[in-house]
Amino acid sequence: AQSVTQPDIHITVSEGASLELRCNYSYGATPYLFWYVQSPGQGLQLLLKYFSGDTLVQGIKGFEAEFKRSQSSFNLRKPSVHWSDAAEYFCAVGAGSGSARQLTFGSGTQLTVLP
Amino acid sequence: ETGVTQSPTHLIKTRGQQVTLRCSSQSGHNTVSWYQQALGQGPQFIFQYYREEENGRGNFPPRFSGLQFPNYSSELNVNALELDDSALYLCASSPSGGGDYNEQFFGPGTRLTVL
Repeated sequence: AQSVTQPDIHITVSEGASLELRCNYSYGATPYLFWYVQSPGQGLQLLLKYFSGDTLVQGIKGFEAEFKRSQSSFNLRKPSVHWSDAAEYFCAVGAGSGSARQLTFGSGTQLTVLP
Repeated sequence: ETGVTQSPTHLIKTRGQQVTLRCSSQSGHNTVSWYQQALGQGPQFIFQYYREEENGRGNFPPRFSGLQFPNYSSELNVNALELDDSALYLCASSPSGGGDYNEQFFGPGTRLTVL
C-alpha cells in the first residue's frame, strides 16, 4: 500500500528566507505526486503536481518541487517566503485505478512565517 | 463557474446519531471523492463515486456510506456516530476521462463534532 511521510510537523521561517518542505513516499509503481496547501478553515488548494517528464515542476505562488526517484522524495521549495504562505502543507500520492485516483496524504507540515 | 460546495459548514451531533453531509460537484465533473481529516492529520480517503456508483473505498467501516445523484452531487452518510468521527469532511470532484489523471478540486469541508 502507498504511504507518504512528511518528517517535519512544524517549520518556522522568516519572511524572505528560503523554504524546503520534505516529503517521502512509498508506492510500487510510478507515482503521481502532489502538494496541496490548506489555510485555516479552508479546503485544499493544489500547488503543483508531478506525473512524468521533467523532474522539476513549477507550481502556483512561486513554489517548485523536485521528484527524486532514487530517494523516493518530492520536496517542495520556495526561494523567498511571504507572510501569506503561512498555512499547512500536504504532500500526497495518487494511487489506484481510473483517472481520478484516490489520494493518500501525509500528515502535513505547518508553516509559520515570522515578520 | 461554481466550485465545489459543501453543506452544512458545521454540525454537532451526539454519539449514536446519524448524519448526512452534502456536496455539489463542480460543473462538468462526474467523479466525487470523500475524505476525512481528523485534527492535526492529513485527509484520509473514504470512498469515491463515479456515475452514481462506488468506484473505490478506503479503510472505513460500512457505517460510512454514500450516494451520488444524476446531477453528480453526492451525500456522505455516517450511522451510529462515534466520538472519533469528529473531523473535517472534505469532498472533491474531478472530471474523469480524457486523460490519465484528472485533478481533484476540493470543497471547504464540513466540520463535524460528535459529543
